[in-house]
Amino acid sequence: GENVEQHPSTLSVQEGDSAVIKCTYSDSASNYFPWYKQELGKRPQLIIDIRSNVGEKKDQRIAVTLNKTAKHFSLHITETQPEDSAVYFCAVGAGGGNKLTFGTGTQLKVEL
Amino acid sequence: GAVVSQHPSWVICKSGTSVKIECRSLDFQATTMFWYRQFPKQSLMLMATSNEGSKATYEQGVEKDKFLINHASLTLSTLTVTSAHPEDSSFYICSARRTSTGELFFGEGSRLTVL
Repeated sequence: GENVEQHPSTLSVQEGDSAVIKCTYSDSASNYFPWYKQELGKRPQLIIDIRSNVGEKKDQRIAVTLNKTAKHFSLHITETQPEDSAVYFCAVGAGGGNKLTFGTGTQLKVEL
Repeated sequence: GAVVSQHPSWVICKSGTSVKIECRSLDFQATTMFWYRQFPKQSLMLMATSNEGSKATYEQGVEKDKFLINHASLTLSTLTVTSAHPEDSSFYICSARRTSTGELFFGEGSRLTVL
């Protein structure tokens, strides 16, 4: 089955700096790559996603890049704010069924 | 936006009892729903795929006789943890795939504590 690795497991940045989280996957048939933000005890919230026919997607301060050849994709958050502090998960899906395999998560802390 | 409701949001039960968790899509039809389990400070692990009108598909290592899934309507899937034990204590999250668009929406999760 699919294997998704996510790095780093924890990330501390100063407010205003950028944060980058990276994921790799194993199944070349995977074609859907969402990123979720999860606050403690809450449901995961989709913050951005990308499909395999696109190399980069941006939404305000958040961007995702995909390298399908190397089977890795990254989340970029610019101008970080304290409210960006949360656990971020990458996920990988194949086909159109939305069956997702999640990465191990990154605890992002944005310090004042 | 689309809403997926889970009930109960938290439950405490005694060891050996069974607990039912509901996942309901409030304003859309969902032929397919997914059940995840999340232990503290860990990732979401897919337990099973629930398909309306048919048997659920379980992931490797998940006991189908212990985690009973029923998806009897286009808006409701239930997960029953049978003969619960303390090691079943976890955060259970469902997600529902909107049939018309393919979008995925997560429920707010149900925290189970087995004493």
